[in-house]
Amino acid sequence: NAGVTQTPKFRILKIGQSMTLQCAQDMNHNYMYWYRQDPGMGLKLIYYSVGAGITDKGEVPNGYNVSRSTTEDFPLRLELAAPSQTSVYFCASTIALAGGPGELFFGEGSRLTVL
Amino acid sequence: AQSVTQLGSHVSVSEGALVLLRCNYSSSVPPYLFWYVQYPNQGLQLLLKYTTGATLVKGINGFEAEFKKSETSFHLTKPSAHMSDAAEYFCAVSGPGRRALTFGSGTRLQVQP
Repeated sequence: NAGVTQTPKFRILKIGQSMTLQCAQDMNHNYMYWYRQDPGMGLKLIYYSVGAGITDKGEVPNGYNVSRSTTEDFPLRLELAAPSQTSVYFCASTIALAGGPGELFFGEGSRLTVL
Repeated sequence: AQSVTQLGSHVSVSEGALVLLRCNYSSSVPPYLFWYVQYPNQGLQLLLKYTTGATLVKGINGFEAEFKKSETSFHLTKPSAHMSDAAEYFCAVSGPGRRALTFGSGTRLQVQP
């Protein structure tokens, strides 16, 4: 049981380059999320999805795009990378409970450096 | 809007001592509250959660937390710290109608031998 799988684990980008962080889950979860973690700042929500074909902005969406064409996959695209996007990115998934999201299952993270 | 405040970005305790990590929340609806733990270079793992019912919640590894509505708090405790408890701990809040968790800024727990 793989859970939530993120690739790549590490990446260095030059300013202005673009890339896609991949996220896949095999738990048939309908909710999926992208968070970024910066030292001392906790986790900030970038985008989330409540099902295939449905995405919505979180707290810090600028500079990012997402798509959700299948239940399993939720890629995060960075267009025109900037140094401010240097961070650790976490993908997570969960099922929806009656009152909100259930336990989030996290990937191991993708460490991105923009130089 | 919902928010979480974790008091103390770093907490240091001696092995065997009480662990107390503080979390206060703000929510306009009845909250769901969570504590997650992050070990170095790993993703987050759920320690415990409060949704409804009993306000004292027990989690894994001997941790527990009490939901106090009057104080808008959800502090995490463990009677006796172990070296393996050294990690970063995050409090998070959600609630009815919410589709995502809002996380606090985290507290790094150091356990001294």
